[in-house]
Amino acid sequence: ETGVTQTPRHLVMGMTNKKSLKCEQHLGHNAMYWYKQSAKKPLELMFVYNFKEQTENNSVPSRFSPECPNSSHLFLHLHTLQPEDSALYLCASSQEGQGSSYEQYFGPGTRLTVT
Amino acid sequence: AQSVTQPDIHITVSEGASLELRCNYSYGATPYLFWYVQSPGQGLQLLLKYFSGDTLVQGIKGFEAEFKRSQSSFNLRKPSVHWSDAAEYFCAVGVPMDSNYQLIWGAGTKLIIKP
Repeated sequence: ETGVTQTPRHLVMGMTNKKSLKCEQHLGHNAMYWYKQSAKKPLELMFVYNFKEQTENNSVPSRFSPECPNSSHLFLHLHTLQPEDSALYLCASSQEGQGSSYEQYFGPGTRLTVT
Repeated sequence: AQSVTQPDIHITVSEGASLELRCNYSYGATPYLFWYVQSPGQGLQLLLKYFSGDTLVQGIKGFEAEFKRSQSSFNLRKPSVHWSDAAEYFCAVGVPMDSNYQLIWGAGTKLIIKP
């Protein structure tokens, strides 16, 4: 596998379910990101991990819980979601610090539908 | 506050015609600027970026963009579009935040190609 992969690609869950989204990057980067993409809105940055430490949490509701066990893997744990949380969730990675090109590389996303 | 505006939600052009997608930004310092493309069901792919130097930058797939500081613009152009260019295009400005370099996104412009 190359680049950034995300699983599952599609997820339908009820409001009382618990599920997790997984992201893996094969680029040797040290930073990973979760974004939410809703129709007709700019991408919303949710969380940033830099060297496995969370450096940004953009006022995301606690029903979204990120986990970054190492610099290659990122999870987004979901519980008691609302219908308005239905969106495309994108994972990205980048190389931060010295030698950074500031480019973010994206996975294909997980299309989440909350029923 | 930093912001990115893409004034056109949709643009329709005929195959073989030229294309210009507009992007305006608001940022106090010299910006790092990016254009990404998103095909249906896919993540975002970097088309080109501007950091410094020549204000006309070349990207992949025959795209180019010109940075105009006086107009706070970074418009994307292509001399002759192909049906495969139908996608959504996102402009972003990179800003330093704490220990990361983050992207502020426009809402996107959907490009429709007429045969």
